[in-house]
Amino acid sequence: GNSVTQMEGPVTLSEEAFLTINCTYTATGYPSLFWYVQYPGEGLQLLLKATKADDKGSNKGFEATYRKETTSFHLEKGSVQVSDSAVYFCALKKNAGNQFYFGTGTSLTVIP
Amino acid sequence: DSGVTQTPKHLITATGQRVTLRCSPRSGDLSVYWYQQSLDQGLQFLIQYYNGEERAKGNILERFSAQQFPDLHSELNLSSLELGDSALYFCASSVRDLNTGELFFGEGSRLTVL
Repeated sequence: GNSVTQMEGPVTLSEEAFLTINCTYTATGYPSLFWYVQYPGEGLQLLLKATKADDKGSNKGFEATYRKETTSFHLEKGSVQVSDSAVYFCALKKNAGNQFYFGTGTSLTVIP
Repeated sequence: DSGVTQTPKHLITATGQRVTLRCSPRSGDLSVYWYQQSLDQGLQFLIQYYNGEERAKGNILERFSAQQFPDLHSELNLSSLELGDSALYFCASSVRDLNTGELFFGEGSRLTVL
């Protein structure tokens, strides 16, 4: 079946620290991969995406590379800010279908 | 602003009652998805509609039902409510069945069942 496994949280980092949130997936074929972010009191919004192997998605200083050989899409940021405090969701979408599969979310708190 | 509108934002009701949540997708989006987010933050896919037709079904209880109307807005009906139905309910929309189409989420409807 299709599934996404995310690193469990919560994660607490100091400002300017390096962030990695691990995400691995199980899927047949070639899915598209996404990271969504949910700020407190808001809905999810797309952070970045990658549609094929070796693609790198990037936005707001965050990056993730689609690694087919390790079935991974880890989220990274070199220097986090307090404003990055949110819940981050990894997701996949099969290119031949309509359904999205979300991970359980990883809560990040950045302290000054 | 994602362009997806959900009402009401907050709803408090009692066990055994019935509520209706409403979603207006982004202009031009034909697909509407409903998700339930529980306290442990997990997102559970409930159901998807495409241009008025049910397209995919997830872990939706029999007490819950949904539909998408000709103007493409959607309603999620929750009946015989239980304490465990308290959650944040999200609606999301996407353009079409594009291979790489992303989801655009509303801000959610927070349901509290007392």
